[in-house]
Amino acid sequence: QKEVEQDPGPLSVPEGAIVSLNCTYSNSAFQYFMWYRQYSRKGPELLMYTYSSGNKEDGRFTAQVDKSSKYISLFIRDSQPSDSATYLCAMMWKTSYDKVIFGPGTSLSVIP
Amino acid sequence: GAVVSQHPSWVICKSGTSVKIECRSLDFQATTMFWYRQFPKQSLMLMATSNEGSKATYEQGVEKDKFLINHASLTLSTLTVTSAHPEDSSFYICSASMLQETQYFGPGTRLLVL
Repeated sequence: QKEVEQDPGPLSVPEGAIVSLNCTYSNSAFQYFMWYRQYSRKGPELLMYTYSSGNKEDGRFTAQVDKSSKYISLFIRDSQPSDSATYLCAMMWKTSYDKVIFGPGTSLSVIP
Repeated sequence: GAVVSQHPSWVICKSGTSVKIECRSLDFQATTMFWYRQFPKQSLMLMATSNEGSKATYEQGVEKDKFLINHASLTLSTLTVTSAHPEDSSFYICSASMLQETQYFGPGTRLLVL
């Protein structure tokens, strides 16, 4: 079993739709959870960074962490064509020095 | 937010030559820098972790004599691909972090070895 699993997509939605992206993981020791957005041929850009279970909202983005189920989600409201990218979930045990474990990424296309 | 730059953004070289890629943290001091490679439609694969002034820690399967990493200052790390071959063609991405913070990624360097 891979440490972090993520549906690779591709996921195609109409503009304005609510998008739900999900990851599951196997290691209960993960404490920090991130979502990165990566445009084609660019480096990943940090979108959300959460610690432990709960929700975090930032504009159109909401990150949810359910440690009991080992499941994290990213919701995008009012999706825009500019949201078309690959979304990578990532997690780590503690900050800074520990390596980040990335999911394989989900490719999202928002159709105008 | 924290900004990380990479140079060059893309490079084409002949097989057998060496290529150096620079990673700089522009507005913060990075205690740790990470080097990743990414093949098309795949996720990032960590190659090595480096702390300023220390030898890099390489992931299993990554040849340290082929991928030389130098982290000479708190704002600069370099990755040198020595005697590059076509199979080394990839997208190389660095990231940097400071104490108690997450990693910030550079824009990546696309390497093509002919």
